This record gives sequence, structure tokens and C-alpha cells, in this order.
Amino acid sequence: AQKITQTQPGMFVQEKEAVTLDCTYDTSDPSYGLFWYKQPSSGEMIFLIYQGSYDQQNATEGRYSLNFQKARKSANLVISASQLGDSAMYFCATDSSASKIIFGSGTRLSIRP
Amino acid sequence: DTGVSQNPRHKITKRGQNVTFRCDPISEHNRLYWYRQTLGQGPEFLTYFQNEAQLEKSRLLSDRFSAERPKGSFSTLEIQRTEQGDSAMYLCASSSLDRGLVYNEQFFGPGTRLTVL
Repeated sequence: AQKITQTQPGMFVQEKEAVTLDCTYDTSDPSYGLFWYKQPSSGEMIFLIYQGSYDQQNATEGRYSLNFQKARKSANLVISASQLGDSAMYFCATDSSASKIIFGSGTRLSIRP
Repeated sequence: DTGVSQNPRHKITKRGQNVTFRCDPISEHNRLYWYRQTLGQGPEFLTYFQNEAQLEKSRLLSDRFSAERPKGSFSTLEIQRTEQGDSAMYLCASSSLDRGLVYNEQFFGPGTRLTVL
């Protein structure tokens, strides 16, 4: 069974600083994907970034990058130059045989002006 | 609007009543998923459909829960004899099973927030 662990319930960061959100995973699938979603207070789940287990390079999407360390089973999200609008819940997740997504418990990120 | 839509957005009911939620996926998406999210937690998988076939059901989906996707388009999730523990956000997502895609990106709807009194 797949499992996602996010050990930071909440984080406070100064605006314009970079922030790293931690995520470790456990899966028995030989091929898997890792995702990060953002959930603002309005409730919608917003897809941020994806990393495939066989991808050689770390995924990047604008200010978001995924620090993928396969041997350590970690998939940390790095947000560069944080903005006030980045304040939200962030969920790390993995897919299961390209079907359901297993989510972690999330990290609440608060950006201070 | 071509995103996933869910109705109603909010539902308040008394314990013991039945409720039904609807999800309209992105047009031509052949996969549809239901998740439940309680306060302070990540979404938990409930069930998913490929076209009209229900392919997987979580153990979270007790006998009081039933989901349908009769024509392979919209889906309904019904909860019978609601309990206070059913209070949660119910999220629907859809995706396209396409072997050409790198990954199975799921697009989420805004959710239906259920409160059972």
C-alpha cells in the first residue's frame, strides 16, 4: 500500500523567501508518480507539479520545483520567492497504478508580509 | 466553464436523512473519482469509475454509500441514513485515460461540504 508522510503541520515564512515543504513516501509499485497540490481557503485542489519515478531530472514549474531523492523516498516541494498568495494548505500525493491518488495530511503554509 | 462542477456546494441535513451529490466531470474525461476530506486532513479516496464501470471502492465506502455513473458522464454519490461522522467535504475529480499522457492528472471540482446535525 502507498503512504505519504508530511511531518510539518504548519510553517511560517517571510515574503520573498524560499520555502521547502517536506514529503516522504512509501510504495511497493515499481513505477509511480508524485504530485503536489495546493488548496487555498476557498477549498479547490490546484495541481502544482508532477514527478515520475523514472524521471532523471527534478521537475520544475515556474516558482515550484520538486526535490526528488528516490533512494531516500523523499519528494520535497521548493517554492522560490514566496508570495502572499502562496498561503494555503499543500498536499503531497502519489498515484496507485495510475488510478487513485493517495494524499498526505498536508502542510499549512503562511506567508508573512 | 469546462471544469469539474459539483452540486450542491453545501448541504446541511439531519442525522438519518439521505443525501445525494452530483458531479459533472470535464467533457470527454473517461475517469471519475470521489474523495472525502475531513477537517485538517488530506482527501481520502472513496471510489472511481472508468466510463460507467465502477472499478474500485475503498473500505471507507460503507454500505450506506453508493455511487453511480449510469451513462459514463455525470456521477452521483448517495449517502443513506447519514451520521454525524459523515460530515466532510466530498470532492470529485476527473481525468482522461490516454496512453499518450505522461501521467494521470486529476482535475478536481470545488467540492460539496456536508454538515450532518
